Amino acid sequence: AQSVAQPEDQVNVAEGNPLTVKCTYSVSGNPYLFWYVQYPNRGLQFLLKYITGDNLVKGSYGFEAEFNKSQTSFHLKKPSALVSDSALYFCAVRDSPRDDKIIFGKGTRLHILP
Amino acid sequence: ETGVTQTPRHLVMGMTNKKSLKCEQHLGHNAMYWYKQSAKKPLELMFVYNFKEQTENNSVPSRFSPECPNSSHLFLHLHTLQPEDSALYLCASSQVSPTGDWGYTFGSGTRLTVV
Repeated sequence: AQSVAQPEDQVNVAEGNPLTVKCTYSVSGNPYLFWYVQYPNRGLQFLLKYITGDNLVKGSYGFEAEFNKSQTSFHLKKPSALVSDSALYFCAVRDSPRDDKIIFGKGTRLHILP
Repeated sequence: ETGVTQTPRHLVMGMTNKKSLKCEQHLGHNAMYWYKQSAKKPLELMFVYNFKEQTENNSVPSRFSPECPNSSHLFLHLHTLQPEDSALYLCASSQVSPTGDWGYTFGSGTRLTVV
């Protein structure tokens, strides 16, 4: 069965510093990977996805993620953090194009300190 | 607006009440979902509707009853809820295709409080 793990409940980063939010996955086939962001009292918003192709995926708001098949990881990164990046981030996975649902990690709360 | 509209945004109900949550998507998608988000817990998938047919029911208690009358509308009927059912209920839609190149579009959620 597919699963995704976000090992950190919370990540604190100073504004202007690079940030990384970690995600590892487990699937039986080729993974379809996603990152979503949630601001307070809002639904989840799509950030980026990896389906196939380049291992470095660029998404919204300057975020990018690196797919690493050997380490089964899909870490979210940004070169320079903004206070407005503070939110809850979810990694998600689907292991088959025929599967009609996506499995989410438990989320990582990102705090950007001014 | 994301194209997925949930109403109401907030709902307070007693344990003996009956209420319904509504979700409408304007994206032409063919699948719709209900998720429950409780504090300090992972997102819980409750129900999946694919082409209006329910394809997933994740052991959800019968006090939650979904309805999908067409591919644009999804309801969650609630009755005799418990305080632990208080949560943010999220609706999502997607355009499921064999390519697998798709994700979800979420609504803003309904914040439910059971008193």
